[in-house]
Order: sequence, then structure tokens, then C-alpha cells
Amino acid sequence: DGGITQSPKYLFRKEGQNVTLSCEQNLNHDAMYWYRQDPGQGLRLIYYSQIVNDFQKGDIAEGYSVSREKKESFPLTVTSAQKNPTAFYLCASSIIGNRAFFGQGTRLTVV
Amino acid sequence: AQKITQTQPGMFVQEKEAVTLDCTYDTSDPSYGLFWYKQPSSGEMIFLIYQGSYDQQNATEGRYSLNFQKARKSANLVISASQLGDSAMYFCAMRLRGAGAQKLVFGQGTRLTINP
Repeated sequence: DGGITQSPKYLFRKEGQNVTLSCEQNLNHDAMYWYRQDPGQGLRLIYYSQIVNDFQKGDIAEGYSVSREKKESFPLTVTSAQKNPTAFYLCASSIIGNRAFFGQGTRLTVV
Repeated sequence: AQKITQTQPGMFVQEKEAVTLDCTYDTSDPSYGLFWYKQPSSGEMIFLIYQGSYDQQNATEGRYSLNFQKARKSANLVISASQLGDSAMYFCAMRLRGAGAQKLVFGQGTRLTINP
């Protein structure tokens, strides 16, 4: 079945550590996105990419990094520079101009 | 500024009633798209309906319709005959041109509760 897979579902990070969230899609979509969602809040755009080896900062990119080495994959690294990383992270993909399909999300907690 | 605004943090509706969720947007780009998504407590994002800026007619998908008023820059979601399963967070989103790529931005959401 085609879709978007995010892993892991739950992730615990110690302070000062970098962690990487995985996002893979087999929908042959060009565009991919990362969002952060805090409890009871909307989705805030972290990074987005329309083609391989190219990506743009969203509204809250500080403390995060991404890569787009393959069309299917768009991993997000939460660095130690992100001071408040505890949140729900959602990855999405779309054909350019069409609706976005979302993964099931990764819940990151700093311990 | 390009932004999406949802002014209703929460709404409570009786089962079987119709409900309207408000969404206003701001963009100077003539080409854009508007989406509504539903997010149940599980966290998944469920696509509901889409309206393109050049579409002449309001979009409809089953019990969902989008009241698109371009001059007012509003794209309200109407749910007819609400059901208990409609209780969830609802997000309005806008697709617009970013720096070198299209991006999708979301409003703050409205929490809808359907009472039996």
C-alpha cells in the first residue's frame, strides 16, 4: 500500500542530544513537509522541499535540520540547539499543487 | 503577510445540527489553494475538502461543503447533520508560493465537540 511512514512513533531524547526522525513515502510525491504541533495548537511549518537536494526553511526552522538526498525520504534532525523540542512532529507529502498526505506522527519527549 | 486565521478555539454543537467552522486567509498571490483537515485524538490528519482560488463553484464532499467568499478572503467549512464521530480538531490550511517551492500553512484549529 502507498503511504507515508514516520518512525519511531515515540522518541525520548536526553538534553543535549541530537535525534533524527524518519519520514519515508512511496507515493512518488515531489513535495515533502515537516510540521511541529504543540498540545492544543496548530501545525507550524519547520522545513519543506519540492525537489531532491533542495529544501527551504519554514516558520520555525531554528534548531532543526533536514536533508533530501532521495525523493522518497525527508529525515528531520532535532539538534541540541532546539531548546524546547518536546512536541508532536508530522511529516507530509504531496504532488505539487495537490492535497498533502500525512504520516502518523512522532511524539518526541525530552527526558 | 500570508496567514490563516481560525477565530473559534472551540465549538459545541448538538448531534444532527449543521455547524460552520470559520477560516479567513491573507495572501496577495492570485493562485492559492485552501484545504480543510480533521484531526481526531489519535493525531492522524484526515483530508476533508479542497478549494482552488480559481474555482467558480464552492467545493462539496458528502456532508462537507466549503463556503468560499473570495472577496472576503474566507473559506468556512460547513458540516451538515453532525455526528458524534465529527468531534475532533479541524484545521484550515492554505497552499501558497514560498521561497522556491510551494508551501502549506495551517491555522490554529477549532476543537469541535458534538453533544448527543
